[in-house]
Amino acid sequence: GNSVTQMEGPVTLSEEAFLTINCTYTATGYPSLFWYVQYPGEGLQLLLKATKADDKGSNKGFEATYRKETTSFHLEKGSVQVSDSAVYFCALRPSKAAGNKLTFGGGTRVLVKP
Amino acid sequence: GAGVSQSPSNKVTEKGKDVELRCDPISGHTALYWYRQSLGQGLEFLIYFQGNSAPDKSGLPSDRFSAERTGGSVSTLTIQRTQQEDSAVYLCASSLDGRGQGSAGELFFGEGSRLTVL
Repeated sequence: GNSVTQMEGPVTLSEEAFLTINCTYTATGYPSLFWYVQYPGEGLQLLLKATKADDKGSNKGFEATYRKETTSFHLEKGSVQVSDSAVYFCALRPSKAAGNKLTFGGGTRVLVKP
Repeated sequence: GAGVSQSPSNKVTEKGKDVELRCDPISGHTALYWYRQSLGQGLEFLIYFQGNSAPDKSGLPSDRFSAERTGGSVSTLTIQRTQQEDSAVYLCASSLDGRGQGSAGELFFGEGSRLTVL
């Protein structure tokens, strides 16, 4: 079956530090991959996505590259801000035929201290 | 507002009682999803509605759980005879088209309904 595994948190770091959140997946075929973010008191929202191998998704200074050879989609940001404190979810969509029924990882809480 | 609206935001109930959770999706979105987020867990898929098609109920954990979507818009998730393990945040999301055409995996989530079963 399809599954997503991401590093457990919480991850605590200082402002301007480098952030990496690891995400690996198991899926048949050619899934699309996503990162969603949940800021305190808000609903989940799409952060970035990649729909095929070697694609790089980017948004708000975050980047993730779809690596089919390692079945990974690690999220990175070079210099985090306090406002990046949130829970980050890695997710996959198995195929277009599966519609937008996404499989999510367990979430990683990130806390950025000033 | 223009986003996905869920109610109630918080619900405390006693074991054995029935509860109903409501979701009002974004206008024009044909696909609607329910997920469950338990403490320390990821998002667990429950059910998915796409237009007038039969819903995908493959994620419902037991026959105590059911959901309906009236008129292709508002959805209600019903949990009968609640148990303590049902305590979680129930998230609703909608998207333009669940078949992935033109929406490419972007789901719009509500803030969730937190259910506590005593």
